[in-house]
Amino acid sequence: NAGVTQTPKFQVLKTGQSMTLQCAQDMNHNSMYWYRQDPGMGLRLIYYSASEGTTDKGEVPNGYNVSRLNKREFSLRLESAAPSQTSVYFCASSERGTGAEQYFGPGTRLTVT
Amino acid sequence: AQSVTQPDIHITVSEGASLELRCNYSYGATPYLFWYVQSPGQGLQLLLKYFSGDTLVQGIKGFEAEFKRSQSSFNLRKPSVHWSDAAEYFCAVVDIKAAGNKLTFGGGTRVLVKP
Repeated sequence: NAGVTQTPKFQVLKTGQSMTLQCAQDMNHNSMYWYRQDPGMGLRLIYYSASEGTTDKGEVPNGYNVSRLNKREFSLRLESAAPSQTSVYFCASSERGTGAEQYFGPGTRLTVT
Repeated sequence: AQSVTQPDIHITVSEGASLELRCNYSYGATPYLFWYVQSPGQGLQLLLKYFSGDTLVQGIKGFEAEFKRSQSSFNLRKPSVHWSDAAEYFCAVVDIKAAGNKLTFGGGTRVLVKP
């Protein structure tokens, strides 16, 4: 039982390049989330998927797209990376329902030059 | 919209001493509150949560937190800190009126433990 896994762990991009961050969970959770973590700002929600087949914007969605590929997988795509997207990205999953514990992956550290 | 403030960015504590981390929230109704811990290079792990009932909640690793509605606070405490408690701690709130179980985090408090 691996929990929530993320790939890659580290990535360096040049401005304007694109990439997809992958996330998978093996806990049969309905809901999945993407956050970014920046110093002094805690974690901010980018997008979430309450259940398979649905996605919704969070607090900071601009410059990102997501795909809920199936119940296990939820990917985050940067179409044209910008230096402001340099951050650590975390994927999380939970059972459906308000207040359900969210389980976090180990994170992807992304640098955009 | 709800918000969470953690006034202390860094706290240094000696091993064996007590620890208290402050968290203040802004929310119009009874909040669902959480404390998460992030060890260096790791993801976040849930320490404890408060939904209703007893205002003193116990969590893992010997941590506890007290909900005080009058002060809009949910402070985290540990009576005796171990070196392994060096980490970053995040307070968070869920908007129970919105769909999606979305967490709003505070900015975090980094705890350093002196030997």
